[in-house]
Amino acid sequence: DTGVSQDPRHKITKRGQNVTFRCDPISEHNRLYWYRQTLGQGPEFLTYFQNEAQLEKSRLLSDRFSAERPKGSFSTLEIQRTEQGDSAMYLCASSYQGAEAFFGQGTRLTVV
Amino acid sequence: QKEVEQDPGPLSVPEGAIVSLNCTYSNSAFQYFMWYRQYSRKGPELLMYTYSSGNKEDGRFTAQVDKSSKYISLFIRDSQPSDSATYLCAMRGDYKLSFGAGTTVTVRA
Repeated sequence: DTGVSQDPRHKITKRGQNVTFRCDPISEHNRLYWYRQTLGQGPEFLTYFQNEAQLEKSRLLSDRFSAERPKGSFSTLEIQRTEQGDSAMYLCASSYQGAEAFFGQGTRLTVV
Repeated sequence: QKEVEQDPGPLSVPEGAIVSLNCTYSNSAFQYFMWYRQYSRKGPELLMYTYSSGNKEDGRFTAQVDKSSKYISLFIRDSQPSDSATYLCAMRGDYKLSFGAGTTVTVRA
C-alpha cells in the first residue's frame, strides 16, 4: 500500500491551455474525492466517485472542469481553457466505503 | 456563515507546551470528525478519526467531540518543533468532508 498517488506534483500552464491531473487511489478503495485548496483555506469539495460512478459535483466545478474514473480505478481531472483563478492545489483522496479518507500530496497548479 | 469555523491563528508555543485547537460546526448531520495535519505544500495527513462524543487518545494526541455543543478539539501534549504545521479539522455526514480553514501552529525550540 503506497498511499494515494497524484501526478504531476506541479504544473505551470499558460492561461487558456488545458491541463489534466491523475490520481491513483489506495487499492481497493471504492470512493474517490477531488478537492481544491487555495492559500490559507481548507480544502473545498469538488466531486466524488463511488466506483466508476460520479455521484456529486460541486457548483465550484464549472463546465470547464471534468472528472472521470474509468473502471473504478484511477481518476483524472481535466480543466479546459484555464484561468488565473484556477491556480490552486488540487487534492485527491480515497476511502473504503465510509471509513476515513486519505489524501495524496496534491497537484499544485499555477496559471500564468 | 461557514459550516465549519476554525480560528486560523497563528498559534506559537514553546517546546513541551500543550497545544489546544478547536472547531465549531453548524450542521447537525455531521457524524464523523477528523483532524488532519498539513505541512507546507504537502497533502493533509490524517491524525485522528472519531465518531462518537467523548475523548479519543493516540499517543500525544487527544481528540474531543461534544456533539451537543457542536464543538470539537484536538490537544497535543509535549509539543515538538516537528509538530509545527497547519491543523485542519474536518467532518462529514455521509461522504463529503467539510473542512475548517486550518490553524497554523509553530512550536519554538
